Amino acid sequence: EPEVTQTPSHQVTQMGQEVILRCVPISNHLYFYWYRQILGQKVEFLVSFYNNEISEKSEIFDDQFSVERPDGSNFTLKIRSTKLEDSAMYFCASRARTGGSQPQHFGDGTRLSIL
Amino acid sequence: AQKITQTQPGMFVQEKEAVTLDCTYDTSDQSYGLFWYKQPSSGEMIFLIYQGSYDEQNATEGRYSLNFQKARKSANLVISASQLGDSAMYFCAMRPVPIQGAQKLVFGQGTRLTINP
Repeated sequence: EPEVTQTPSHQVTQMGQEVILRCVPISNHLYFYWYRQILGQKVEFLVSFYNNEISEKSEIFDDQFSVERPDGSNFTLKIRSTKLEDSAMYFCASRARTGGSQPQHFGDGTRLSIL
Repeated sequence: AQKITQTQPGMFVQEKEAVTLDCTYDTSDQSYGLFWYKQPSSGEMIFLIYQGSYDEQNATEGRYSLNFQKARKSANLVISASQLGDSAMYFCAMRPVPIQGAQKLVFGQGTRLTINP
């Protein structure tokens, strides 16, 4: 069964450094998302992406964050200058097409640790 | 704004028993979708079951069923004949309207389910 692939599984970065989290969504999917989950807390929406542009972003997704789909397969999340509070699990998700019953399929996540 | 409430932070159940995980939601929208995801200790998010707000029948997927009570705004997950592998965090989530497009999911706080042998 096709799946969403995220790399790396764990990223350790010094505060203030830039980090890029990578995702390969399921190939025929049209909608792409990033979520984050701070340890022990609920999953929070960051951004959605469709037709090569951002559809919606949350208050968390400030100017330090950006997303890109540089080719037909990869979908990346960049944090320009990381803060301690950016430490979390980051999930990429994708969805096939319009229609309420289509679930978002999640990758296994990237655990980001900011030192 | 949409909100999902899961009031059970933790549940302990004996193996082979059925378990109900509670989920209530708050929305003024007429059309929406409700989802349950499982998160094992390894961290991945696994889709379990979906219920549409206009679906007349409760959704079922194998041992999972969804007890949907629209008037009470509840969408409880029922796991029949629980297994040790069911031990995980369970999240209820809602997709607000419009159903079309790149709509985000709004998640509850989750319930940690532990199945005892």
